[in-house]
Amino acid sequence: GAVVSQHPSRVICKSGTSVKIECRSLDFQATTMFWYRQFPKQSLMLMATSNEGSKATYEQGVEKDKFLINHASLTLSTLTVTSAHPEDSSFYICSAPGQGGGTDTQYFGPGTRLTVL
Amino acid sequence: AQSVTQLDSQVPVFEEAPVELRCNYSSSVSVYLFWYVQYPNQGLQLLLKYLSGSTLVKGINGFEAEFNKSQTSFHLRKPSVHISDTAEYFCAVTTDSWGKLQFGAGTQVVVTP
Repeated sequence: GAVVSQHPSRVICKSGTSVKIECRSLDFQATTMFWYRQFPKQSLMLMATSNEGSKATYEQGVEKDKFLINHASLTLSTLTVTSAHPEDSSFYICSAPGQGGGTDTQYFGPGTRLTVL
Repeated sequence: AQSVTQLDSQVPVFEEAPVELRCNYSSSVSVYLFWYVQYPNQGLQLLLKYLSGSTLVKGINGFEAEFNKSQTSFHLRKPSVHISDTAEYFCAVTTDSWGKLQFGAGTQVVVTP
């Protein structure tokens, strides 16, 4: 089946620095990707929809200036957490719709655990 | 807008016993329903999905779910669990053709010998 990768899998950074997380569709093209955030023992919350060649669409309450999303190609979306703070520590997961569109299958990346000291 | 409720936050179950995880949804339009499993520190893996057609859906690893429109439910079942089924299970719904998913809070299944 289709594979979505994320890099890095884990990252620890100091407060105030920026961190970039990559999401790649390895064997298919994805004009749309989704970014989710998951706090410990909680569900996934959609942060934004990443659109290739256009601006991302952010969910209500998500700071677009803090969570910068760039969908540079049909296989790569990046999420940059700018000026990270300890409250940004979380598990970030991306997904991409399969060939049949969103109602077919969403393929999820393995996640990136961000820890901000 | 749609929402998903998973009624049980944690379900302890003995190995080889059956398990049922409850999921209810609300939506003013037709929905597509999914169950995902998440193992520790990993992403989500699709167990099964309901898009249309038969209301009984069979998935991987022996799981099945039944879509009940009148009760707005999509409960997940497995007749006999294994230790390896210990994981977090998420019910999700979308009305969006591009699959913007709304997740339930999750149910932690703990299988003990």
